[in-house]
Amino acid sequence: RKEVEQDPGPFNVPEGATVAFNCTYSNSASQSFFWYRQDCRKEPKLLMSVYSSGNEDGRFTAQLNRASQYISLLIRDSKLSDSATYLCVVTPSGAGSYQLTFGKGTKLSVIP
Amino acid sequence: DGGITQSPKYLFRKEGQNVTLSCEQNLNHDAMYWYRQDPGQGLRLIYYSQIVNDFQKGDIAEGYSVSREKKESFPLTVTSAQKNPTAFYLCASSDTGQGNEKLFFGSGTQLSVL
Repeated sequence: RKEVEQDPGPFNVPEGATVAFNCTYSNSASQSFFWYRQDCRKEPKLLMSVYSSGNEDGRFTAQLNRASQYISLLIRDSKLSDSATYLCVVTPSGAGSYQLTFGKGTKLSVIP
Repeated sequence: DGGITQSPKYLFRKEGQNVTLSCEQNLNHDAMYWYRQDPGQGLRLIYYSQIVNDFQKGDIAEGYSVSREKKESFPLTVTSAQKNPTAFYLCASSDTGQGNEKLFFGSGTQLSVL
């Protein structure tokens, strides 16, 4: 099983739709979780950290399910500007940033 | 504005040539990293440095070299020993190098082979 797995997509959704991505991880000792957003041929930028209790930032909600070893990202009321690749990032407990494991990303296209 | 700057944006390498990618940050971060991204692939760590004058190999260091003589600078050299260098290279930094920190990325360098 790969360390971090994501559905590559693409997810093609109409404006205003709700879309959810999952990311599974294999290391049960994983402690820190993040979602990064990457536009085509640009650098990744942190979208949100994922906390055990789940967290919300505007239209974006992140959840962690430790028992099933996955994190999720929910985007409500999709905008055209949400079109990007979403990277799942995981790191073990007590690890340094050099131990971050990046998923291959899920591509989202929001269609007018 | 504080940030991390990579140059050049595009770079072409001839057979047998070494090329150097520049990465400069003015965020006063201790830790810096170089990643390689191939189409449809996750980022893979080439080298990292958690303090000046010290650096460590990442997962795919063969064919690459780095230096960290100044806190703000972490150049990457792609040597002729790297047989498949075509990729998108990303430099990043973080405050102290702990795993729960946000990474700040440069805008990337696309390296291609002539």
